[in-house]
Amino acid sequence: GQNIDQPTEMTATEGAIVQINCTYQTSGFNGLFWYQQHAGEAPTFLSYNVLDGLEEKGRFSSFLSRSKGYSYLLLKELQMKDSASYLCAVREGGATNKLIFGTGTLLAVQP
Amino acid sequence: GAVVSQHPSWVICKSGTSVKIECRSLDFQATTMFWYRQFPKQSLMLMATSNEGSKATYEQGVEKDKFLINHASLTLSTLTVTSAHPEDSSFYICSAIPTGSRGKSYNEQFFGPGTRLTVL
Repeated sequence: GQNIDQPTEMTATEGAIVQINCTYQTSGFNGLFWYQQHAGEAPTFLSYNVLDGLEEKGRFSSFLSRSKGYSYLLLKELQMKDSASYLCAVREGGATNKLIFGTGTLLAVQP
Repeated sequence: GAVVSQHPSWVICKSGTSVKIECRSLDFQATTMFWYRQFPKQSLMLMATSNEGSKATYEQGVEKDKFLINHASLTLSTLTVTSAHPEDSSFYICSAIPTGSRGKSYNEQFFGPGTRLTVL
């Protein structure tokens, strides 16, 4: 079956660095996405990994290890506005473009 | 660019009535759109894949006769929740993938702002 796990909640301090992990076991794999979602709003795209390694984009970086079924999202220089849910999503193989979302991690940034 | 709208943003209805939710891609065409449901403090659950000009593909456990999907044009997909019941109360989100290349090789899905459905 499809299984994508993330920690349910995390707390971090403003200005610090936080790493949100995602492990997945899916029948197919054609890329992994990270989205940010504020309460009651639509998810917004943060990053995409399809090959192993680190993708850096400003304060956000995402890492992928396909052999380990593992990814993480790294947020640097945390700001209060980064308080949100962070969703890991795996795209299945083939031409479907379907995304299977993880459980989501609710990040609380404290002063 | 790549804006997706949903209408209405929220709706309250009585049990047994039907509710239609629209998903529009405002500045691009989308052959494929997706419908998700999100319960409080949970992640997005894919309900169905909406394909322009053909029948939608439903995920396992989603009743196609209860959640009617119509993708009548390249910019509009509608989800109708028929005979809604309180357990259908949820946050419904659609997403769309632009047809053709928009400079991204990974077929990013663009999400609508969601529709909050409350069934009394």
